Amino acid sequence: ETGVTQTPRHLVMGMTNKKSLKCEQHLGHNAMYWYKQSAKKPLELMFVYNFKEQTENNSVPSRFSPECPNSSHLFLHLHTLQPEDSALYLCASSPLVRQGLYNSPLHFGNGTRLTVT
Amino acid sequence: ILNVEQSPQSLHVQEGDSTNFTCSFPSSNFYALHWYRWETAKSPEALFVMTLNGDEKKKGRISATLNTKEGYSYLYIKGSQPEDSATYLCAFIPNRDDKIIFGKGTRLHILP
Repeated sequence: ETGVTQTPRHLVMGMTNKKSLKCEQHLGHNAMYWYKQSAKKPLELMFVYNFKEQTENNSVPSRFSPECPNSSHLFLHLHTLQPEDSALYLCASSPLVRQGLYNSPLHFGNGTRLTVT
Repeated sequence: ILNVEQSPQSLHVQEGDSTNFTCSFPSSNFYALHWYRWETAKSPEALFVMTLNGDEKKKGRISATLNTKEGYSYLYIKGSQPEDSATYLCAFIPNRDDKIIFGKGTRLHILP
């Protein structure tokens, strides 16, 4: 059982809708991430939060708005999305260690399969 | 733009056979490399974090090697079982503060 929980598992939304994706981790990690997986493309980093502060925004369009109220919760607010935004959105967490973010592996949730109609 | 290449893209292996596949990355800088296994409808699961040239890591029937000077890592699976069917992802970090770069994965199918 994963220590990272994402809801909902599936989401269908129209281009004018506003919805939010939720991620929760119970692993005591301090870093949380949003990734996008599009068909036939590698996992693409969207946002990184360390100790609730955003440290990476990988040129993501403003129609995606992240929120990290505490180290255990991460949201991705969606507004006026396009059909090409349809993808699997994965949340991940990791410990923040002195040597750097990536000396420890990422722990992923099961993802939210988003379809924009 | 740094690329992480995984080959082959897809692989069919008879149950009981051993197999291996490759992750290639730029050899100019190296900080760490991760391997993940991603089963359908599940979350990616970390297999190994590799940080030193010459590293060899093992987890049950799965092992990995690392050559940072030539820019590749191999993942080996000995005596493939149906539960090994998954996509295997490689992720490369060139420097300590760089973002992690994923490959597209190798899709492994174990044939009964």
